[in-house]
Amino acid sequence: DAGVTQSPTHLIKTRGQQVTLRCSPKSGHDTVSWYQQALGQGPQFIFQYYEEEERQRGNFPDRFSGHQFPNYSSELNVNALLLGDSALYLCASSLGPLGNTIYFGEGSWLTVV
Amino acid sequence: GIQVEQSPPDLILQEGANSTLRCNFSDSVNNLQWFHQNPWGQLINLFYIPSGTKQNGRLSATTVATERYSLLYISSSQTTDSGVYFCAVEQFYGGSQGNLIFGKGTKLSVKP
Repeated sequence: DAGVTQSPTHLIKTRGQQVTLRCSPKSGHDTVSWYQQALGQGPQFIFQYYEEEERQRGNFPDRFSGHQFPNYSSELNVNALLLGDSALYLCASSLGPLGNTIYFGEGSWLTVV
Repeated sequence: GIQVEQSPPDLILQEGANSTLRCNFSDSVNNLQWFHQNPWGQLINLFYIPSGTKQNGRLSATTVATERYSLLYISSSQTTDSGVYFCAVEQFYGGSQGNLIFGKGTKLSVKP
């Protein structure tokens, strides 16, 4: 039973560039959420996708956008990268958007220079 | 919004010792989970426990929803238990559905 998988695991980008991170949910899961974790902090909710639509969004600017595909996989896009976007980006999946155990992937470490 | 506070922020134990980690939250919640984040960054799900008590090997957790706190017990700690332990809560209303709100974590170091 495959867990949540993310790619790439590490990447370095230059300020102003754009980045795309990818996530495949745990087998049988249909809901994907994205979180940003800065060093020494707890993860912060970016947004959640269910039925290919963004259901909920945290306090992040429009530079952060996403997509969910019919196979439930998801992408997180960040435009016009800032140094402050350097963080661990975590994808989580669950069965349904509410009230079920949420599982996380290993994350994508993004460094903006 | 809801606040989640974890204590202690740091904990150093000798291998074999027991510990209790606490999570307080400021409002009623529908979902509460405990996670262990390993040194490589992965969040491992320990318990889904919006109320009641659960046990899994050397770990157990209790959530008293009416008093807005949860406890994670680690018995006979091992060096592999080191890492950061997070408590996260979710509310199914007020636009918070699907949004896990994390505490700042407890950093546990188990010495051999």
